[in-house]
Amino acid sequence: GQQVMQIPQYQHVQEGEDFTTYCNSSTTLSNIQWYKQRPGGHPVFLIQLVKSGEVKKQKRLTFQFGEAKKNSSLHITATQTTDVGTYFCAGRNTGFQKLVFGTGTRLLVSP
Amino acid sequence: GAVVSQHPSWVICKSGTSVKIECRSLDFQATTMFWYRQFPKQSLMLMATSNEGSKATYEQGVEKDKFLINHASLTLSTLTVTSAHPEDSSFYICSAEGGSGGAGETQYFGPGTRLLVL
Repeated sequence: GQQVMQIPQYQHVQEGEDFTTYCNSSTTLSNIQWYKQRPGGHPVFLIQLVKSGEVKKQKRLTFQFGEAKKNSSLHITATQTTDVGTYFCAGRNTGFQKLVFGTGTRLLVSP
Repeated sequence: GAVVSQHPSWVICKSGTSVKIECRSLDFQATTMFWYRQFPKQSLMLMATSNEGSKATYEQGVEKDKFLINHASLTLSTLTVTSAHPEDSSFYICSAEGGSGGAGETQYFGPGTRLLVL
C-alpha cells in the first residue's frame, strides 16, 4: 500500500536556526497537505499544495510540492519556540478520499 | 468556520466495557468523516471512512465488529469501541470534510479523545 515517509524523525534546533522536513510518497499524489500537532494536541491544518512544483509561503514557513508530485518539503526560517511540535505531511492519491499521513517530524526548539 | 468537536475528550474505562465517541461538525455539513487512531509518538493511522447514510469503509486490519461506526446525519458520526481492552488505549481523532470529497477537500480535525482502558 501507499507509504509516506518523513525525514528527519526528530530535530532539535536553537531558536533562530532554520528547519526543514522532507516528505516522500511511494505513489504519485493528487495533492499534499501539511499539519502541525502540538504536544498533547490534535493536528491543525497548515496548507494544501496541488500543482506540480508549487511553492507556497506562510510568513516564515515555505512549502514546496515536487515536480513529480511524490515529494514535498516544509522549511521554517528562523525558528521560534512556538514552532515546537510534530509536523505531518498527508497525501491523497488521485480518485481517493482518504489521506495517508506521513511518519511525522518532531521539532524541538531551544531558547 | 469549519469546527469539529469530539466528545468526550477523555475517557477511562474498565476492560470489557464499551465506549462511544461522538464527532460533530458544528458549522458545516460533513458528507464524509474519518476516524484515526494515534499511539504515543506515532503518526495518525486511518481506521475507517464514514459516509453519511452508508456503511463505513474500514482499513485493512481494523476490526469492524470491534470499532462500530455510525454516521446517521451530516453533522454526527460516532465510534463505539466495543469490549475495550488495554491495547485499545489510544488517542482517537475524527476529521470531517464537506462537498464531494474531491482532490481539493480539506479535512478538519476534532480535538481528539484520549481513551485509557484499565
